[in-house]
Amino acid sequence: AQKVTQAQTEISVVEKEDVTLDCVYETRDTTYYLFWYKQPPSGELVFLIRRNSFDEQNEISGRYSWNFQKSTSSFNFTITASQVVDSAVYFCALSPDYKLSFGAGTTVTVRA
Amino acid sequence: EAGVTQSPTHLIKTRGQQATLRCSPISGHTSVYWYQQALGLGLQFLLWYDEGEERNRGNFPPRFSGRQFPNYSSELNVNALELEDSALYLCASSRGIEDADTQYFGPGTRLTVL
Repeated sequence: AQKVTQAQTEISVVEKEDVTLDCVYETRDTTYYLFWYKQPPSGELVFLIRRNSFDEQNEISGRYSWNFQKSTSSFNFTITASQVVDSAVYFCALSPDYKLSFGAGTTVTVRA
Repeated sequence: EAGVTQSPTHLIKTRGQQATLRCSPISGHTSVYWYQQALGLGLQFLLWYDEGEERNRGNFPPRFSGRQFPNYSSELNVNALELEDSALYLCASSRGIEDADTQYFGPGTRLTVL
């Protein structure tokens, strides 16, 4: 069985602060994919990144960066210099096959 | 490229009625997935269709059913609605079994059961 834990329920920061979202996962599969999705107030889940279990390279995309550590089963997400538009619920997800198992989500509020 | 579309945006039903939700995938995508996002329960996998066939379903009762049409659009039907079926229903699509893991989501249908 798959399990994704996002221990942080809510994070509130002031604009321009950095925000790091934690994600810890459990799976018995040796091959799997990890994802981050963003859900703004409109409700639509926006795909941010996909990483496969064999690729532990960290990635940076603009103000977003991801730190994948297989040894600790973690896939953390950092928003650098946060902006008000980053306010949303962020979900970490795991998929060894076709089905996404989501964490409970972390609500990020960025105050101006 | 148009994204995943869902209709209606909002749906209000009473207990015992049936609800039909619709989803159109991204052009070129053959797989459609349905998820339920209920308050306090998080996002849960409901159903997966690919090439017109139901490939798998999550831990939901049989009154949750659906189908996929030849144009790859999909319907989710919920019969004998119960209050706890109130949720945001999200549809996602992907290119197919070969790329089943990269799913792109629609804006959702918010179902309210009174």
